[in-house]
Amino acid sequence: AQKITQTQPGMFVQEKEAVTLDCTYDTSDQSYGLFWYKQPSSGEMIFLIYQGSYDEQNATEGRYSLNFQKARKSANLVISASQLGDSAMYFCAMNAGGTSYGKLTFGQGTILTVHP
Amino acid sequence: KAGVTQTPRYLIKTRGQQVTLSCSPISGHRSVSWYQQTPGQGLQFLFEYFSETQRNKGNFPGRFSGRQFSNSRSEMNVSTLELGDSALYLCASNRGGRPEGETQYFGPGTRLLVL
Repeated sequence: AQKITQTQPGMFVQEKEAVTLDCTYDTSDQSYGLFWYKQPSSGEMIFLIYQGSYDEQNATEGRYSLNFQKARKSANLVISASQLGDSAMYFCAMNAGGTSYGKLTFGQGTILTVHP
Repeated sequence: KAGVTQTPRYLIKTRGQQVTLSCSPISGHRSVSWYQQTPGQGLQFLFEYFSETQRNKGNFPGRFSGRQFSNSRSEMNVSTLELGDSALYLCASNRGGRPEGETQYFGPGTRLLVL
């Protein structure tokens, strides 16, 4: 079974500054994927970034980067140069390999508020 | 390429009724997963369908069921609705190919309110 823990219920950041959202995970699987999604108030889940358990380099997608520390079982999301539109709920999620990859396990989420 | 679509977007039902939600995946995607999101329980996995077969199932009672058609479109059904079934129901699709690296893309969700 997989477990995702997001310990920050809410985070505040000033516009144009960087922010790190924490995520730790637990799994006994050797092969797994880690994901971050953004959920605005409209409700739709927007995919941000993916990191595979065997990927040696940290994933980056534009202003998003994933700080992957396998030994610590952490997969923190870093958002650089925050924008007002980044205000939303952010979820860390994971799946396992094999035929279970269609099942995502989510954390409780972190509400990010970007101040002007 | 069109994204995942879900219908209806909003639904109001009364206790004891049943409801059917529909999800059309991204063209070419063969796997469809369903999730329930509530303020108390967060995001919970319901089930996943791949090539018309249920491949994974979450811990939900048998009142929750689903199916997938040959064109990969999926429906989920909730019978004998309870107040606690009020939630945002999200559908996600992926190509069903490479394990663990296969990103799930979500639809806008269906907001169900049970009175």
